[in-house]
Amino acid sequence: AQTVTQSQPEMSVQEAETVTLSCTYDTSENNYYLFWYKQPPSRQMILVIRQEAYKQQNATENRFSVNFQKAAKSFSLKISDSQLGDTAMYFCAFMKPRLHGMRFGAGTRLTVKP
Amino acid sequence: DTGVSQNPRHKITKRGQNVTFRCDPISEHNRLYWYRQTLGQGPEFLTYFQNEAQLEKSRLLSDRFSAERPKGSFSTLEIQRTEQGDSAMYLCASSSQTGDTQETQYFGPGTRLLVL
Repeated sequence: AQTVTQSQPEMSVQEAETVTLSCTYDTSENNYYLFWYKQPPSRQMILVIRQEAYKQQNATENRFSVNFQKAAKSFSLKISDSQLGDTAMYFCAFMKPRLHGMRFGAGTRLTVKP
Repeated sequence: DTGVSQNPRHKITKRGQNVTFRCDPISEHNRLYWYRQTLGQGPEFLTYFQNEAQLEKSRLLSDRFSAERPKGSFSTLEIQRTEQGDSAMYLCASSSQTGDTQETQYFGPGTRLLVL
């Protein structure tokens, strides 16, 4: 079974600074998908960024980028120029192709301080 | 609003009662998913529909749980004989299929269930 581990239950960062959230996963698959979702307080989950395992290039979406290390089974999220609106729970998720349920980590609660 | 919608947003029930939740996916999405999220945890996958067919079920989906998606549009999740352990946020998500590409799942706001 695939497992996703987020080893940082809580993190904080000063506004405008950079923070990196960690995620590791366990799988025997060669092809799969990885995601970071954001869940603001009392609001719904939204996709931050996704990565296909067959792509060597790390995904980037504006201030958000990932460091995908396939051999190490590591998928960290870097948030640059942190903003107050980035305060949220961040979940790392894994999905195998042809099986459509995502497996999520326990989440990291990020607080951006003014 | 063209996002995923869920009703009700909150439900309080007594142990042993049956409850039903509804999910309306994004209109052009043919894939629909149910997840359960307990406090302080990440969502756990329950089940998946492609159109009206239920193609994947988690072992978490006990016999007391049943999900349907008639006509491949909205979906319902029913819990029979609720237990206190069923208290959680029930999340619905939808996505569209484009060839073999796994499209992004878009989540609804969830239904928070409290079983007394």
